[in-house]
Amino acid sequence: NAGVMQNPRHLVRRRGQEARLRCSPMKGHSHVYWYRQLPEEGLKFMVYLQKENIIDESGMPKERFSAEFPKEGPSILRIQQVVRGDSAAYFCASSSPFEGNYGYTFGSGTRLTVV
Amino acid sequence: GIQVEQSPPDLILQEGANSTLRCNFSDSVNNLQWFHQNPWGQLINLFYIPSGTKQNGRLSATTVATERYSLLYISSSQTTDSGVYFCAVRVDGGSQGNLIFGKGTKLSVKP
Repeated sequence: NAGVMQNPRHLVRRRGQEARLRCSPMKGHSHVYWYRQLPEEGLKFMVYLQKENIIDESGMPKERFSAEFPKEGPSILRIQQVVRGDSAAYFCASSSPFEGNYGYTFGSGTRLTVV
Repeated sequence: GIQVEQSPPDLILQEGANSTLRCNFSDSVNNLQWFHQNPWGQLINLFYIPSGTKQNGRLSATTVATERYSLLYISSSQTTDSGVYFCAVRVDGGSQGNLIFGKGTKLSVKP
Protein backbone atom coordinates (compact mmCIF):
# COMPACT_ATOMS: atom_id res chain seq x y z
CA ASN A 1 0.00 0.00 0.00
CA ALA A 2 1.77 3.10 -1.25
CA GLY A 3 0.03 5.55 1.06
CA VAL A 4 -1.22 8.96 0.02
CA MET A 5 0.85 10.24 -2.88
CA GLN A 6 1.21 13.92 -3.60
CA ASN A 7 3.08 15.47 -6.47
CA PRO A 8 5.03 17.44 -7.10
CA ARG A 9 6.87 17.67 -3.76
CA HIS A 10 8.07 21.15 -4.62
CA LEU A 11 6.56 23.59 -7.10
CA VAL A 12 7.83 27.02 -8.06
CA ARG A 13 5.53 29.37 -9.96
CA ARG A 14 5.83 32.98 -11.04
CA ARG A 15 3.10 35.39 -10.02
CA GLY A 16 0.14 35.06 -12.37
CA GLN A 17 0.81 31.46 -13.38
CA GLU A 18 -1.36 28.47 -12.54
CA ALA A 19 -0.47 25.80 -10.00
CA ARG A 20 -1.85 22.24 -10.15
CA LEU A 21 -1.34 20.00 -7.16
CA ARG A 22 -2.15 16.31 -7.36
CA CYS A 23 -3.20 13.84 -4.70
CA SER A 24 -3.70 10.10 -5.13
CA PRO A 25 -5.46 8.65 -2.06
CA MET A 26 -4.60 5.38 -0.44
CA LYS A 27 -6.06 2.29 -2.05
CA GLY A 28 -9.61 1.82 -0.84
CA HIS A 29 -9.98 5.44 0.26
CA SER A 30 -12.65 7.48 -1.49
CA HIS A 31 -12.58 10.59 0.72
CA VAL A 32 -10.00 13.30 0.14
CA TYR A 33 -9.26 16.40 2.19
CA TRP A 34 -7.00 19.34 1.34
CA TYR A 35 -5.26 21.50 3.95
CA ARG A 36 -2.91 24.45 3.70
CA GLN A 37 -0.05 25.15 6.11
CA LEU A 38 1.57 28.56 6.27
CA PRO A 39 5.06 28.83 7.82
CA GLU A 40 5.04 28.33 11.60
CA GLU A 41 1.28 27.72 11.57
CA GLY A 42 -1.05 24.78 11.98
CA LEU A 43 -2.97 23.31 9.10
CA LYS A 44 -6.09 25.05 7.80
CA PHE A 45 -8.90 23.04 6.23
CA MET A 46 -9.69 23.90 2.63
CA VAL A 47 -11.98 21.32 1.04
CA TYR A 48 -13.41 17.82 1.50
CA LEU A 49 -14.26 15.75 -1.57
CA GLN A 50 -15.65 12.37 -2.41
CA LYS A 51 -15.53 10.89 -5.87
CA GLU A 52 -17.10 13.43 -8.26
CA ASN A 53 -18.54 15.46 -5.36
CA ILE A 54 -17.46 18.41 -3.28
CA ILE A 55 -18.79 17.78 0.23
CA ASP A 56 -17.46 20.79 2.13
CA GLU A 57 -15.55 23.70 0.61
CA SER A 58 -16.00 26.10 3.49
CA GLY A 59 -12.25 26.68 3.77
CA MET A 60 -11.59 27.43 0.11
CA PRO A 61 -10.86 31.02 -0.89
CA LYS A 62 -13.73 32.31 -3.02
CA GLU A 63 -11.58 33.16 -6.01
CA ARG A 64 -8.76 31.48 -7.93
CA PHE A 65 -8.94 28.17 -6.03
CA SER A 66 -10.78 25.07 -7.17
CA ALA A 67 -10.65 21.36 -6.43
CA GLU A 68 -11.90 18.21 -8.06
CA PHE A 69 -11.83 14.49 -7.47
CA PRO A 70 -12.89 12.77 -10.69
CA LYS A 71 -14.20 9.26 -11.02
CA GLU A 72 -10.83 8.20 -12.39
CA GLY A 73 -7.49 9.68 -11.47
CA PRO A 74 -6.12 11.81 -8.67
CA SER A 75 -7.68 14.72 -6.86
CA ILE A 76 -6.47 18.08 -8.19
CA LEU A 77 -6.16 21.35 -6.31
CA ARG A 78 -5.88 24.17 -8.82
CA ILE A 79 -4.74 27.69 -8.05
CA GLN A 80 -5.11 30.21 -10.84
CA GLN A 81 -3.10 33.43 -11.13
CA VAL A 82 -0.96 32.65 -8.11
CA VAL A 83 0.20 35.44 -5.78
CA ARG A 84 3.01 35.51 -3.23
CA GLY A 85 0.53 34.87 -0.41
CA ASP A 86 -0.28 31.47 -1.91
CA SER A 87 3.20 30.25 -0.96
CA ALA A 88 2.60 27.47 1.55
CA ALA A 89 2.66 23.72 2.05
CA TYR A 90 -0.47 22.01 0.77
CA PHE A 91 -1.36 18.68 2.32
CA CYS A 92 -3.82 16.11 1.18
CA ALA A 93 -5.31 13.42 3.42
CA SER A 94 -7.55 10.50 2.61
CA SER A 95 -9.82 8.13 4.48
CA SER A 96 -12.21 5.33 3.76
CA PRO A 97 -15.99 5.80 4.00
CA PHE A 98 -15.99 3.68 7.15
CA GLU A 99 -13.12 5.25 9.04
CA GLY A 100 -13.67 8.96 8.58
CA ASN A 101 -11.28 10.99 10.69
CA TYR A 102 -10.12 7.85 12.51
CA GLY A 103 -8.32 6.65 9.42
CA TYR A 104 -6.93 9.99 8.27
CA THR A 105 -3.65 9.50 6.41
CA PHE A 106 -1.71 12.49 5.16
CA GLY A 107 0.52 12.73 2.13
CA SER A 108 3.96 14.32 2.29
CA GLY A 109 2.68 17.63 0.97
CA THR A 110 3.48 19.97 -1.91
CA ARG A 111 5.54 23.02 -1.09
CA LEU A 112 4.46 25.84 -3.37
CA THR A 113 6.73 28.83 -3.77
CA VAL A 114 5.51 31.85 -5.73
CA VAL A 115 8.27 34.12 -6.99
CA GLY B 1 -15.44 29.59 15.89
CA ILE B 2 -13.76 27.08 18.13
CA GLN B 3 -10.34 27.95 19.53
CA VAL B 4 -7.65 25.28 19.86
CA GLU B 5 -4.71 26.29 22.01
CA GLN B 6 -1.60 24.22 22.53
CA SER B 7 1.06 24.64 25.15
CA PRO B 8 3.92 25.06 25.44
CA PRO B 9 4.67 26.48 21.98
CA ASP B 10 8.28 25.32 22.20
CA LEU B 11 9.94 22.62 24.26
CA ILE B 12 13.57 21.51 24.47
CA LEU B 13 14.34 18.22 26.16
CA GLN B 14 17.38 16.15 26.89
CA GLU B 15 17.15 12.64 25.52
CA GLY B 16 15.52 10.35 28.05
CA ALA B 17 13.35 13.03 29.65
CA ASN B 18 9.56 12.90 29.90
CA SER B 19 7.17 15.61 28.79
CA THR B 20 3.50 16.56 28.71
CA LEU B 21 1.91 18.56 25.92
CA ARG B 22 -1.47 20.17 26.42
CA CYS B 23 -4.36 21.02 24.11
CA ASN B 24 -7.27 23.17 25.26
CA PHE B 25 -10.38 23.69 23.14
CA SER B 26 -13.17 26.17 23.60
CA ASP B 27 -16.24 24.21 22.51
CA SER B 28 -17.70 20.71 22.51
CA VAL B 29 -15.97 18.38 20.11
CA ASN B 30 -16.76 14.92 18.80
CA ASN B 31 -13.29 14.15 17.56
CA LEU B 32 -9.80 14.91 18.77
CA GLN B 33 -6.59 13.74 17.19
CA TRP B 34 -2.88 14.17 17.80
CA PHE B 35 -0.45 14.37 14.89
CA HIS B 36 3.32 14.49 14.72
CA GLN B 37 4.98 16.45 11.93
CA ASN B 38 8.57 15.31 11.60
CA PRO B 39 11.42 17.63 10.56
CA TRP B 40 10.87 16.58 6.91
CA GLY B 41 7.26 17.73 7.02
CA GLN B 42 5.53 14.36 7.08
CA LEU B 43 2.38 14.24 9.22
CA ILE B 44 1.77 11.09 11.23
CA ASN B 45 -1.56 10.31 12.86
CA LEU B 46 -0.69 9.43 16.49
CA PHE B 47 -4.00 9.11 18.28
CA TYR B 48 -7.69 9.35 17.60
CA ILE B 49 -8.92 10.15 21.10
CA PRO B 50 -12.23 12.00 21.53
CA SER B 51 -12.28 10.81 25.16
CA GLY B 52 -10.44 8.52 27.54
CA THR B 53 -6.86 7.34 27.50
CA LYS B 54 -4.80 5.47 24.93
CA GLN B 55 -1.23 4.28 24.90
CA ASN B 56 1.10 3.42 22.06
CA GLY B 57 4.61 2.53 23.16
CA ARG B 58 6.26 5.54 24.80
CA LEU B 59 3.36 7.80 23.88
CA SER B 60 0.04 8.08 25.59
CA ALA B 61 -2.84 10.51 25.38
CA THR B 62 -5.74 11.47 27.60
CA THR B 63 -8.78 13.54 26.66
CA VAL B 64 -11.22 14.92 29.22
CA ALA B 65 -13.96 16.12 26.93
CA THR B 66 -16.12 17.57 29.71
CA GLU B 67 -13.25 19.84 30.74
CA ARG B 68 -12.20 20.53 27.15
CA TYR B 69 -8.58 19.48 27.20
CA SER B 70 -6.29 16.73 26.05
CA LEU B 71 -2.78 15.77 27.11
CA LEU B 72 -0.07 13.98 25.16
CA TYR B 73 2.62 12.27 27.23
CA ILE B 74 6.01 11.41 25.83
CA SER B 75 8.18 9.23 28.04
CA SER B 76 11.90 8.49 27.67
CA SER B 77 12.14 10.92 24.76
CA GLN B 78 14.38 10.17 21.81
CA THR B 79 15.88 12.45 19.18
CA THR B 80 13.46 10.96 16.65
CA ASP B 81 10.59 12.45 18.67
CA SER B 82 11.65 15.91 17.50
CA GLY B 83 9.21 17.83 15.35
CA VAL B 84 5.89 19.59 15.82
CA TYR B 85 2.96 18.01 17.64
CA PHE B 86 -0.48 19.14 16.55
CA CYS B 87 -3.81 18.69 18.22
CA ALA B 88 -6.84 18.80 15.91
CA VAL B 89 -10.54 18.74 16.72
CA ARG B 90 -13.85 18.47 14.92
CA VAL B 91 -16.72 20.40 16.42
CA ASP B 92 -20.10 18.83 17.11
CA GLY B 93 -22.07 19.14 13.90
CA GLY B 94 -18.99 19.88 11.84
CA SER B 95 -18.31 18.11 8.60
CA GLN B 96 -16.20 15.01 8.70
CA GLY B 97 -13.37 16.67 6.87
CA ASN B 98 -13.13 19.89 8.77
CA LEU B 99 -10.49 19.37 11.43
CA ILE B 100 -9.43 22.49 13.30
CA PHE B 101 -5.72 22.42 14.12
CA GLY B 102 -3.87 24.15 16.92
CA LYS B 103 -0.61 25.95 16.19
CA GLY B 104 1.41 23.08 17.55
CA THR B 105 4.15 22.42 20.08
CA LYS B 106 7.63 22.37 18.58
CA LEU B 107 9.71 19.74 20.36
CA SER B 108 13.48 19.46 20.12
CA VAL B 109 15.12 16.48 21.78
CA LYS B 110 18.88 16.88 22.27
CA PRO B 111 21.23 13.90 22.44
